[in-house]
Amino acid sequence: GNSVTQMEGPVTLSEEAFLTINCTYTATGYPSLFWYVQYPGEGLQLLLKATKADDKGSNKGFEATYRKETTSFHLEKGSVQVSDSAVYFCALFSNFGNEKLTFGTGTRLTIIP
Amino acid sequence: NAGVTQTPKFQVLKTGQSMTLQCAQDMNHNSMYWYRQDPGMGLRLIYYSASEGTTDKGEVPNGYNVSRLNKREFSLRLESAAPSQTSVYFCASSVTGPRSEAFFGQGTRLTVV
Repeated sequence: GNSVTQMEGPVTLSEEAFLTINCTYTATGYPSLFWYVQYPGEGLQLLLKATKADDKGSNKGFEATYRKETTSFHLEKGSVQVSDSAVYFCALFSNFGNEKLTFGTGTRLTIIP
Repeated sequence: NAGVTQTPKFQVLKTGQSMTLQCAQDMNHNSMYWYRQDPGMGLRLIYYSASEGTTDKGEVPNGYNVSRLNKREFSLRLESAAPSQTSVYFCASSVTGPRSEAFFGQGTRLTVV
């Protein structure tokens, strides 16, 4: 079946540091890939997505590239801010088999000033 | 812009009690979902509804029932609550299934004692 493996947290970084959160997946067919972010006390919201191999999703300074050869979709940001503190979820959707979003376990990110 | 609205935000139940979690969306979305979020396990799909009048089981449907009352509303019922159902519950909706962006409610924190 489909699965998403995310870097375990929590991750703590200083402001302006470089961020990478690793995400790899297993899926049949050609899945779409997503990063969702959950700020404290809120629901999830879409951060970025990529629907085919070599696509790069980007938003709010975050980027992730769909790498089919390594089945990865790592999230990166060049200079993090305190306001980026949140839980980040990698997810995939594949229309082979169960047509549903499959989520990773989430990575809690804390940025200290 | 209300988006996806869930009620209640918090609830404490005794084992064996029943309750219904309400969810409504005002974006004219066809698909609606119920997820539960547990520490270290990401989000797991309980039930989903691809359109008004249809519902399907997700990964963890046991102990739950759902009703797609109309296009806007999708409720989740616990008939006899158990401590294992202590979790944070999220309702979500999307236009045409999980391939498109899913919009989430703010969540319901349920504790069963």
